[in-house]
Amino acid sequence: AQSVTQLGSHVSVSEGALVLLRCNYSSSVPPYLFWYVQYPNQGLQLLLKYTSAATLVKGINGFEAEFKKSETSFHLTKPSAHMRDAAEYFCAVSATGNQFYFGTGTSLTVIP
Amino acid sequence: NAGVMQNPRHLVRRRGQEARLRCSPMKGHSHVYWYRQLPEEGLKFMVYLQKENIIDESGMPKERFSAEFPKEGPSILRIQQVVRGDSAAYFCASSQGALPADTQYFGPGTRLTVL
Repeated sequence: AQSVTQLGSHVSVSEGALVLLRCNYSSSVPPYLFWYVQYPNQGLQLLLKYTSAATLVKGINGFEAEFKKSETSFHLTKPSAHMRDAAEYFCAVSATGNQFYFGTGTSLTVIP
Repeated sequence: NAGVMQNPRHLVRRRGQEARLRCSPMKGHSHVYWYRQLPEEGLKFMVYLQKENIIDESGMPKERFSAEFPKEGPSILRIQQVVRGDSAAYFCASSQGALPADTQYFGPGTRLTVL
């Protein structure tokens, strides 16, 4: 069985500050890991995904995430937050088959 | 290439009515997935379909919910005799190949409100 836990349902950062959104996963087999962003009243957009290649994954909009097997983590970071980054972020895991398991989301607020 | 289309974007039903949600996958995509998002929660998998076949419906409630993806036309998620607890955002996603290796693209969702 797979699952993800997102620590912190709400995160606030100042514009220009580091963004760190936490995700820990549980999987009995090597997982695929994903980060999605959801803007208000829109569907999810893929930011990046880990597919067992490089452990540091670069995505769109300056985001990146690092797969750490020893910590079962896949935290999302961005060096400098922009106002347009304010959104809901979801971590997801998928291992076998076609089911994705999503976390409960982290709402990012960027303070001007 | 148009993205995943869902309609209607907003749907209001009274308890006991039927709700029909439509999803047109991206061009060239033959795999369709339906998810439900309850307020303050993440997305929960409901069903996975390919053309004319239900591949995995393990996330579908046993009663009142059904899904289809006919040879022609959009995929339909049907909820009969809706109850207030069905109020949620329903998202459709599509992929060209099988998951998890391939990427699924999400539609904008249908927000169902049951009065």
